[in-house]
Amino acid sequence: QKEVEQNSGPLSVPEGAIASLNCTYSDRGSQSFFWYRQYSGKSPELIMFIYSNGDKEDGRFTAQLNKASQYVSLLIRDSQPSDSATYLCAVDNNDMRFGAGTRLTVKP
Amino acid sequence: DAGVIQSPRHEVTEMGQEVTLRCKPISGHDYLFWYRQTMMRGLELLIYFNNNVPIDDSGMPEDRFSAKMPNASFSTLKIQPSEPRDSAVYFCATNRGGAEAFFGQGTRLTVV
Repeated sequence: QKEVEQNSGPLSVPEGAIASLNCTYSDRGSQSFFWYRQYSGKSPELIMFIYSNGDKEDGRFTAQLNKASQYVSLLIRDSQPSDSATYLCAVDNNDMRFGAGTRLTVKP
Repeated sequence: DAGVIQSPRHEVTEMGQEVTLRCKPISGHDYLFWYRQTMMRGLELLIYFNNNVPIDDSGMPEDRFSAKMPNASFSTLKIQPSEPRDSAVYFCATNRGGAEAFFGQGTRLTVV
């Protein structure tokens, strides 16, 4: 069974802090990795994707991928209350499987 | 493009009734995924199609669940007979293989 595991949370950080979200996966054949954000009652929406080992930065967000360790993470710098949501890790080997999500709360 | 379109947005039905959920994918996307989301189990992959062909239905919980994709523009997920434990939000998502998946707005199903 292909598994995608996320740190269960919930995670609470003060405004302006760094939030760190982690994800591991079991399918070594996976090629594409995604982080989605889901607000309560809404559909998941893409924040970032990463295909290669290393870091990828986009504004306040940094995704990190280590295929040898089967590990992907998301860092959110200067966290804002508007970042409060559930963050979903997705791993794709043409089958787009998601972790259970980590609920993040950013407190003003 | 209008994005992935799901219908209905909300469905309330009685136990034992048949339920059909519908999805219209984004034109040109060759993969279509059906997910179920609950607080307890998160976002579960039920089944996915590639070029209208079911590839993996190992996530379909029971024989009561079935899915079809008769053409590139339409897919259905059917539950017959429905049970209260089927209550969840069902999402359809589509993509071009390996790329970002776009989600529909979901169908909130309540079985009473």
